[in-house]
Amino acid sequence: AQSVSQHNHHVILSEAASLELGCNYSYGGTVNLFWYVQYPGQHLQLLLKYFSGDPLVKGIKGFEAEFIKSKFSFNLRKPSVQWSDTAEYFCAVIPNFGNEKLTFGTGTRLTIIP
Amino acid sequence: EAGVAQSPRYKIIEKRQSVAFWCNPISGHATLYWYQQILGQGPKLLIQFQNNGVVDDSQLPKDRFSAERLKGVDSTLKIQPAKLEDSAVYLCASSLVRVAKNIQYFGAGTRLSVL
Repeated sequence: AQSVSQHNHHVILSEAASLELGCNYSYGGTVNLFWYVQYPGQHLQLLLKYFSGDPLVKGIKGFEAEFIKSKFSFNLRKPSVQWSDTAEYFCAVIPNFGNEKLTFGTGTRLTIIP
Repeated sequence: EAGVAQSPRYKIIEKRQSVAFWCNPISGHATLYWYQQILGQGPKLLIQFQNNGVVDDSQLPKDRFSAERLKGVDSTLKIQPAKLEDSAVYLCASSLVRVAKNIQYFGAGTRLSVL
């Protein structure tokens, strides 16, 4: 079964700082990768996804993520964060074939200080 | 487009009581999922429906949890009897079809506290 690791549990940054949140997965086959975001008091919503093709994917609100197959990683980045980016971020993976179960990491809580 | 609707938003019960959660997926979405999210963890799949049939319930504690999706639209998740460790947010999600290259849309969740 696949698993997802998010090593940063809580990240605190000042506005305009650059952001990188780590995500590593364990699965030997082809996977589809997602980053979901949960703003305070709101539901989980999709930030961006990778299915195939260009390993650098762009999402909403200026976020991007890079899939590095050799490192089993799908790190989330943003060059300049805003206070409104304060939220919890979840990385998730689902194998392309077989048991199609979406597996989430434990999440990273991001706090942006104005 | 209306999102995934869940109710209630909050529920407080005592252990050994029963509780039920309701979910209405996005219109036209054939696949419906129930997740459990314990504080400090990511969502964990409990059960997955394709229309009104169960696809995967391998992580559902069947001695106390049950779920149904009559008529392939709305779904209910029930816990009977509840234990302290069932305190969590119960999320419902839906997707258009059951394939890996598919986006799951989540509801706001029901926060359950078992005292």
